[in-house]
Amino acid sequence: SQQGEEDPQALSIQEGENATMNCSYKTSINNLQWYRQNSGRGLVHLILIRSNEREKHSGRLRVTLDTSKKSSSLLITASRAADTASYFCATDGGGSEKLVFGKGTKLTVNP
Amino acid sequence: DAGVIQSPRHEVTEMGQEVTLRCKPISGHNSLFWYRQTMMRGLELLIYFNNNVPIDDSGMPEDRFSAKMPNASFSTLKIQPSEPRDSAVYFCASRLSGGVGSPLHFGNGTRLTVT
Repeated sequence: SQQGEEDPQALSIQEGENATMNCSYKTSINNLQWYRQNSGRGLVHLILIRSNEREKHSGRLRVTLDTSKKSSSLLITASRAADTASYFCATDGGGSEKLVFGKGTKLTVNP
Repeated sequence: DAGVIQSPRHEVTEMGQEVTLRCKPISGHNSLFWYRQTMMRGLELLIYFNNNVPIDDSGMPEDRFSAKMPNASFSTLKIQPSEPRDSAVYFCASRLSGGVGSPLHFGNGTRLTVT
């Protein structure tokens, strides 16, 4: 069954604005990962947050995790046209080798 | 590092034909995953291997699908016979298992169209 569910399904913003995407999941996790997919390409790993962490930063990316609500958010600050892509969260179902992905948020950053 | 290499990039075939998708994982990675992506169902895990051994194939939709990993540097996903509903983008991904949350490295996929 699908673990991660992202919202919104689609987001359109202007360059320079911040973009926030949310992910909800159903079962316990060891960690949660965010990936990015450009059109016609494979997914690329962005950032991982462990279940005992609440917030993590990497460059213009900020990820939060609330295990009590089974939710995570990905914030991209000062967005650029090159950030246009689909963004997916993935969970490991409590330490399983399997990574289960949501359906993603399609982000469009208009120049 | 060349990354995960998949071939072909595009495959168009007629219903009933056999289709073989190929994947070369990143050297040194010991886990390999096959995913299928469609608009309707998103990314679905079909099967994954650890150290060339299939661990979980519960996502393989039907007996028409089979996957092999004869060695650490090569895997195939075969569909026989193919059907129009198999049309999708098929991704192979690899990672170094054993580390907590080690990231998946994806190939650029094979876009399969069955007419």
